[in-house]
Amino acid sequence: QVQLQQWGAGLLKPSETLSLSCAVYGGSLSNYQLTWIRQPPGKGLEWIGEINQSGSTNYNPSLKSRVTISVDTSKNQFSLKLSSVTAADTAMYYCWLVLPVAIHYWGQGTLVTVSS
Amino acid sequence: EIVMTQSPATLSVSPGERATLSCRASQTVSGNLAWYQQKPGQAPRLLIYGASTRATGIPARFSGSESGTEFTLTISSLQSEDFAVYYCQQYNNWPRTFGQGTKVEIK
Repeated sequence: QVQLQQWGAGLLKPSETLSLSCAVYGGSLSNYQLTWIRQPPGKGLEWIGEINQSGSTNYNPSLKSRVTISVDTSKNQFSLKLSSVTAADTAMYYCWLVLPVAIHYWGQGTLVTVSS
Repeated sequence: EIVMTQSPATLSVSPGERATLSCRASQTVSGNLAWYQQKPGQAPRLLIYGASTRATGIPARFSGSESGTEFTLTISSLQSEDFAVYYCQQYNNWPRTFGQGTKVEIK
């Protein structure tokens, strides 16, 4: 059974860099998309970006200048970095793995709060 | 960017009744539309993909349909566990975009 485990700092100051990791256990990754989304408290879902098995990435243009998604294939571990955070980046962040066909797994979520 | 517009924002339904949720895309998404259910404190759960295909393990009371850029999620007979927020998402273009959600609440 595939499981995703997320971790990272939950409290940041403005201008710092958000750094989250997501490890995939219980499966070998050959054909996949790993997506990061976020959800501000009480609000809807926002797509941040994704990476696939080829290492190709796509990012939300609204965040593109600040976001990097990467993968360490030897560890089945993905990372999200978001630089120069502000209070507007306060949200629950989820990693989300999509396998063929339409098999979805989610991390448990990480609440990131940006406050001075 | 494709804008996804869901309606209504809140739907009040009695258990056992039918619920119809709508989602409109600002341009064609070629059927690449998914519906998700989210309960408080949980990650979203995939219900429907390809506009009308139920995901694995999803009960038959959930169905999806498409008419051009208009999409509908129907829950034929609401059960207590179905009261939640529902999101549509297009995955035809980047960036992938979500609707703002429809909250299905108990009437």
